[in-house]
Amino acid sequence: AQSVTQLGSHVSVSEGALVLLRCNYSSSVPPYLFWYVQYPNQGLQLLLKYTSAATLVKGINGFEAEFKKSETSFHLTKPSAHMSDAAEYFCAVSEDKLVFGAGTILRVKS
Amino acid sequence: NAGVTQTPKFQVLKTGQSMTLQCAQDMNHNSMYWYRQDPGMGLRLIYYSASEGTTDKGEVPNGYNVSRLNKREFSLRLESAAPSQTSVYFCASSEARGSGNTIYFGEGSWLTVV
Repeated sequence: AQSVTQLGSHVSVSEGALVLLRCNYSSSVPPYLFWYVQYPNQGLQLLLKYTSAATLVKGINGFEAEFKKSETSFHLTKPSAHMSDAAEYFCAVSEDKLVFGAGTILRVKS
Repeated sequence: NAGVTQTPKFQVLKTGQSMTLQCAQDMNHNSMYWYRQDPGMGLRLIYYSASEGTTDKGEVPNGYNVSRLNKREFSLRLESAAPSQTSVYFCASSEARGSGNTIYFGEGSWLTVV
């Protein structure tokens, strides 16, 4: 059965620092993987998705994620955090249905 | 460019009351979904409709019913609300159900049952 584990329910970084949000998945078939972002009191917005075309996936707002099959990971990174990146981030895996991780709240300190 | 629109945005219910959450999408998508979001649990699928005329249970269907009124609209009904149904509800849609299809979300409906 497919599942997603996001390591760290809260991550705090300084403005300008590297953002690293961790996601590990379990899937019985080659997966499709997604990162969504949720700003306060809003719905979820797609950041990026992996569909096996390339292991390094670039998304919106300067985010990217790398698919590592050997580590069953799909970690999200951004070289330099901005205050506007403060939000909750969800990793999700899809075989026939989309399954979400519990989410990671990113705090950006000035 | 509305995307997925859901109403109401906020609602307070008393235990035992009923209500319907409405959802409409203007992207000509075939598949529609209802999720609930609770702290620390991510989003869990309540019901989905793979195509017009079909509905299926998701992970947490108990206490809910749905209606796929037409291709655009997918409503969620709570027949007898319980405090455990206090949550944020999201309607979503995708071109088709299955791997790789991007799911687009509405803005959410905050429901409190007292």
